[in-house]
Amino acid sequence: DAGVTQSPTHLIKTRGQHVTLRCSPISGHKSVSWYQQVLGQGPQFIFQYYEKEERGRGNFPDRFSARQFPNYSSELNVNALLLGDSALYLCASSLFRTGGAGTEAFFGQGTRLTVV
Amino acid sequence: GENVEQHPSTLSVQEGDSAVIKCTYSDSASNYFPWYKQELGKRPQLIIDIRSNVGEKKDQRIAVTLNKTAKHFSLHITETQPEDSAVYFCAAPNNDMRFGAGTRLTVKP
Repeated sequence: DAGVTQSPTHLIKTRGQHVTLRCSPISGHKSVSWYQQVLGQGPQFIFQYYEKEERGRGNFPDRFSARQFPNYSSELNVNALLLGDSALYLCASSLFRTGGAGTEAFFGQGTRLTVV
Repeated sequence: GENVEQHPSTLSVQEGDSAVIKCTYSDSASNYFPWYKQELGKRPQLIIDIRSNVGEKKDQRIAVTLNKTAKHFSLHITETQPEDSAVYFCAAPNNDMRFGAGTRLTVKP
């Protein structure tokens, strides 16, 4: 069984551009969460999607958006990129929503975004 | 989402010693408490978790204890080895999973 896969693995963008990051969850997993991890810090929660609906949002500006497709894969979009958006973007999938159902979350390898 | 506080932020131990990392949470509805290990340049990986119906869980050299009354849970690593050096994160997910700030553990040979 394939794990959580993310694409691309590395990306360099210019300030002001937009970017789309992709995540394919483990087969059968219906929940996808996105995190931003700046070097030396913990993963910061951006979004959670479950059954194609947004179920949670962290403290990020409206430049960040996401969606989940019928096959449960997900995209994270960031508009008007800033230098401070440079980070590792992690996607995690779980069978159901995390917490209430007590299900484990599994991470992809991440997309390293560099904004220049 | 639940916010958790994690302490200490850094921890340095000699090989063979024990290491303890503690997290506190505020939402009494939380009932699942995972711990993740992240090695340099790698993704976070689940190493152990505990559900609220038990007070302790062990897996070889690692264990997690939970005190629901005090709303804290701890990761215990015994007989530490250099390969235990990593950053460890806790979470107390309720509706979504938010992590503690992390503890950088260094095990000195």
